[in-house]
Amino acid sequence: GESVGLHLPTLSVQEGDNSIINCAYSNSASDYFIWYKQESGKGPQFIIDIRSNMDKRQGQRVTVLLNKTVKHLSLQIAATQPGDSAVYFCAENKGSSYKLIFGSGTRLLVRP
Amino acid sequence: EADIYQTPRYLVIGTGKKITLECSQTMGHDKMYWYQQDPGMELHLIHYSYGVNSTEKGDLSSESTVSRIRTEHFPLTLESARPSHTSQYLCASSSGGGSFEQYFGPGTRLTVT
Repeated sequence: GESVGLHLPTLSVQEGDNSIINCAYSNSASDYFIWYKQESGKGPQFIIDIRSNMDKRQGQRVTVLLNKTVKHLSLQIAATQPGDSAVYFCAENKGSSYKLIFGSGTRLLVRP
Repeated sequence: EADIYQTPRYLVIGTGKKITLECSQTMGHDKMYWYQQDPGMELHLIHYSYGVNSTEKGDLSSESTVSRIRTEHFPLTLESARPSHTSQYLCASSSGGGSFEQYFGPGTRLTVT
């Protein structure tokens, strides 16, 4: 069935280090992927997205990599800061609809 | 900046009560969504709407109902709340037209005692 899953439920990194959050997806027909950040008590906040015709996209301190061959998505955060501590979700679109399928989330903890 | 609002932010209510969770957006988005999320867990789509007078059930079965009488307003109603309904409810909207990004409200944390 369709699923978006994450490899690690919790990731702990030292402040200033780079973080990599991974995500696997199973629907080869998906053509849009998105990363959200959710802080405690808040709704998910858009970080970055990528379409299937791209392998890499960069934003401010963040990079998303898409490997369609192995159906793998990753989010890289450069120079991780305490404010980056949150739960990160990847999501993919469901076929041709506007619905998104969310993964189970990875909690990022930044050590001072 | 996305403008999507949810009220109340927190609600504690007794079993059997009828409740309505409000969601409004000022972006003129046609598409709106309701998700249910347990703490730290993934989001599950329970309802969505692609326009006025159009509502559909999501992937997770829910006893709640929704309505879409105005573009900007997408309320969710539980006729008789139960402890199993205790969860966080997130509302989102998107513009469509080739854009899949969804903008989320702050959520309503519901506790049914």
